[in-house]
Amino acid sequence: AQSVTQPDIHITVSEGASLELRCNYSYGATPYLFWYVQSPGQGLQLLLKYFSGDTLVQGIKGFEAEFKRSQSSFNLRKPSVHWSDAAEYFCAVGPGGYQKVTFGTGTKLQVIP
Amino acid sequence: DAGVIQSPRHEVTEMGQEVTLRCKPISGHNSLFWYRQTMMRGLELLIYFNNNVPIDDSGMPEDRFSAKMPNASFSTLKIQPSEPRDSAVYFCASSPGDRGRNEKLFFGSGTQLSVL
Repeated sequence: AQSVTQPDIHITVSEGASLELRCNYSYGATPYLFWYVQSPGQGLQLLLKYFSGDTLVQGIKGFEAEFKRSQSSFNLRKPSVHWSDAAEYFCAVGPGGYQKVTFGTGTKLQVIP
Repeated sequence: DAGVIQSPRHEVTEMGQEVTLRCKPISGHNSLFWYRQTMMRGLELLIYFNNNVPIDDSGMPEDRFSAKMPNASFSTLKIQPSEPRDSAVYFCASSPGDRGRNEKLFFGSGTQLSVL
């Protein structure tokens, strides 16, 4: 069965600092991997996705993620965090198409001045 | 496009009452998903439809939960009777539904349900 682990429940970074959010997945084949962001009181918005090809994926809002098969990881990064990035971030894995996508439990990001 | 529209945004009800949550997916999307989000269990897929047909409802917690999609532009999630442990945020999402590379979910703003 597919699963996703986000080991950090809560992370605090200073504005302008770099950010890395961790995601580890379990899946039997090459997975489809996603990062979503949820602002307070809002639904989730897709930041980026990986299906195949280049293992470094660029997304919206200056985010990127790197797929590392050997480590079963898909960590999200941003070189310089802005106060508006404060939100909850969800990693997700799925087999593709319209089949089930399994979400991690989320990492809440706090940005301090 | 207005995006995925859910109503109501907030619902407060008493235990035992029937609750109906509504969703209008993005026009042209073939797949519709209902998720439940709680602090304890995170984001759980309850059921999803493709071309108005339920594909997988294995995530529906109990028979008290039912979902329908009578047409491509409308879906409901009903809880009857409701219980306090049903309190959560319920999200509807839609997707273009193309197999393969176009896996992208568009979420509504959710319905915050409180069962007293």
